[in-house]
Amino acid sequence: AQSVTQPDIHITVSEGASLELRCNYSYGATPYLFWYVQSPGQGLQLLLKYFSGDTLVQGIKGFEAEFKRSQSSFNLRKPSVHWSDAAEYFCAVGTSRTGANNLFFGTGTRLTVIP
Amino acid sequence: NAGVMQNPRHLVRRRGQEARLRCSPMKGHSHVYWYRQLPEEGLKFMVYLQKENIIDESGMPKERFSAEFPKEGPSILRIQQVVRGDSAAYFCASSPAGVRYNEQFFGPGTRLTVL
Repeated sequence: AQSVTQPDIHITVSEGASLELRCNYSYGATPYLFWYVQSPGQGLQLLLKYFSGDTLVQGIKGFEAEFKRSQSSFNLRKPSVHWSDAAEYFCAVGTSRTGANNLFFGTGTRLTVIP
Repeated sequence: NAGVMQNPRHLVRRRGQEARLRCSPMKGHSHVYWYRQLPEEGLKFMVYLQKENIIDESGMPKERFSAEFPKEGPSILRIQQVVRGDSAAYFCASSPAGVRYNEQFFGPGTRLTVL
């Protein structure tokens, strides 16, 4: 069965510092991988996704993520964090099961940005 | 182009009452997904629908929960005889038909509180 683990519940970084949010997945085949961001009281917005090809994926708002098959990881990075990046971040995996388009989400990492 | 719309945004029900949550997908989207987010948890897939068809309901509780996406009108998630454990945020997402794992666009959610 597929699952997603985000080991960091809460991360605090200073504005301008670099950021890495961890995501590990469990799935028997090649997964489809996603990072979403959720601002308080809002729905989720897609930051980036990986289906195949280049393992370093660029997203919106200056985010990138790297798929590492050997580590079953898809960590999200940003070189310089802005105060507006404070939000909840969710990693998700999609499966190749026929007829399945649903996503499995991790429990999220809450990012706090301090001045 | 309006995004995914959900109403109501907040819903309060007493135990034993019925809750109806509505979702209008983005224009041109024919796939709808419902997810539930319990406090301090990630989103959990409930059901995936296309117009007049339930494609995957593997995440739906066996009792009291039902979903529909009629030919005309919004998708409805119905919870009968609500209990306190149903208190959660319910998110709807939509995507266009065609390519697998098109981006899912999320609505702002309905926050259900059961007293």
